[in-house]
Amino acid sequence: QKEVEQNSGPLSVPEGAIASLNCTYSDRGSQSFFWYRQYSGKSPELIMSIYSNGDKEDGRFTAQLNKASQYVSLLIRDSQPSDSATYLCAGNTDKLIFGTGTRLQVFP
Amino acid sequence: EAGVTQFPSHSVIEKGQTVTLRCDPISGHDNLYWYRRVMGKEIKFLLHFVKESKQDESGMPNNRFLAERTGGTYSTLKVQPAELEDSGVYFCASSVHWRNTEAFFGQGTRLTVV
Repeated sequence: QKEVEQNSGPLSVPEGAIASLNCTYSDRGSQSFFWYRQYSGKSPELIMSIYSNGDKEDGRFTAQLNKASQYVSLLIRDSQPSDSATYLCAGNTDKLIFGTGTRLQVFP
Repeated sequence: EAGVTQFPSHSVIEKGQTVTLRCDPISGHDNLYWYRRVMGKEIKFLLHFVKESKQDESGMPNNRFLAERTGGTYSTLKVQPAELEDSGVYFCASSVHWRNTEAFFGQGTRLTVV
């Protein structure tokens, strides 16, 4: 079992819809979680961090963490074609452990 | 403020040759990490420096890989001799604090061993 698991996608949503990206993790020692966005050929860009159970909102992005279920999600409201990228979920103990990423496609 | 900078952006070398990758972290970031992404796989941890000291090198594949961070500023990652399976994208990241903190990534070095 991988330490951080994501569906590779692609997840296709129409412009203006809500995109829901999910991630599960196996290490209960992970205390914090991060969502990175990576455009093709570019570096991972940090977009959200979450440290405690519940929701954290930042603009069109909402991160959700449920430590009991070992589940992290990222919601993108009003999805735009420019949101099309690979979204990487990472858990952190002493180092970042990444999932393989979910490719999101937002079509006009 | 400059971000994490990596050199070169691309490198193509022959099997058996030596390659040195460089990373300049964000100024003031004591923590520097090296990661690698092999095609089709997830980004995997290689090692972690706190200033000039190696905090964790558990992800280094073998002794053909040598990382240094003299003076606690920039870091180099040398692969000698390179093998075909070393091909991938090598990312460097830096952070202010160690655990449970946000890390910022460089643009990566794409290494191709032929």
